[in-house]
Amino acid sequence: KQEVTQIPAALSVPEGENLVLNCSFTDSAIYNLQWFRQDPGKGLTSLLLIQSSQREQTSGRLNASLDKSSGRSTLYIAASQPGDSATYLCAVGNNAGNMLTFGGGTRLMVKP
Amino acid sequence: DAMVIQNPRYQVTQFGKPVTLSCSQTLNHNVMYWYQQKSSQAPKLLFHYYDKDFNNEADTPDNFQSRRPNTSFCFLDIRSPGLGDAAMYLCATSRTKGISRYNEQFFGPGTRLTVL
Repeated sequence: KQEVTQIPAALSVPEGENLVLNCSFTDSAIYNLQWFRQDPGKGLTSLLLIQSSQREQTSGRLNASLDKSSGRSTLYIAASQPGDSATYLCAVGNNAGNMLTFGGGTRLMVKP
Repeated sequence: DAMVIQNPRYQVTQFGKPVTLSCSQTLNHNVMYWYQQKSSQAPKLLFHYYDKDFNNEADTPDNFQSRRPNTSFCFLDIRSPGLGDAAMYLCATSRTKGISRYNEQFFGPGTRLTVL
């Protein structure tokens, strides 16, 4: 059974800092990995999608990498802003069962 | 804009009183999903439809059922809500699933269910 872990669970940084969020998964038989943002009481906003054949994706200040063999992904946020404060969720699409398994999320606070 | 819409955004029901949550999409995607997210927990897939093909997760309680009358709409029915069913219910869609360039999932804003 796939298990997805996100470290750290919570992170507080000053504005302008570059930061890295980590995601690890136990079963490397995945077809994609998605990073989502969730604001309190809201739904999920897709940030980046990495297919299993890719190693990274970039969107603006965000860069996500994928290392399938080691079961790891990182989300890099450059020049963080208070508006980046939210919970960031990593989810892997599993070959078996074609479902997304989510990590517990990292709650990010960027202080002005 | 093409999107995933959920109604209502907030739903209050009484213990044991059936409730239906609604999801619609303008993306014309083949796959629609229902997730349950309890407070401070990760979303958990309940079931999904690939076109009219219904796929139930093994540990989804029998209390939860779903209907997809057409491509655009999907409903979540909770037959006898218990206090433990209070959660955010998220609907998502994807053009296809599995190994494909079109497998990205798009989520609606969610419906927060309160059970009194």
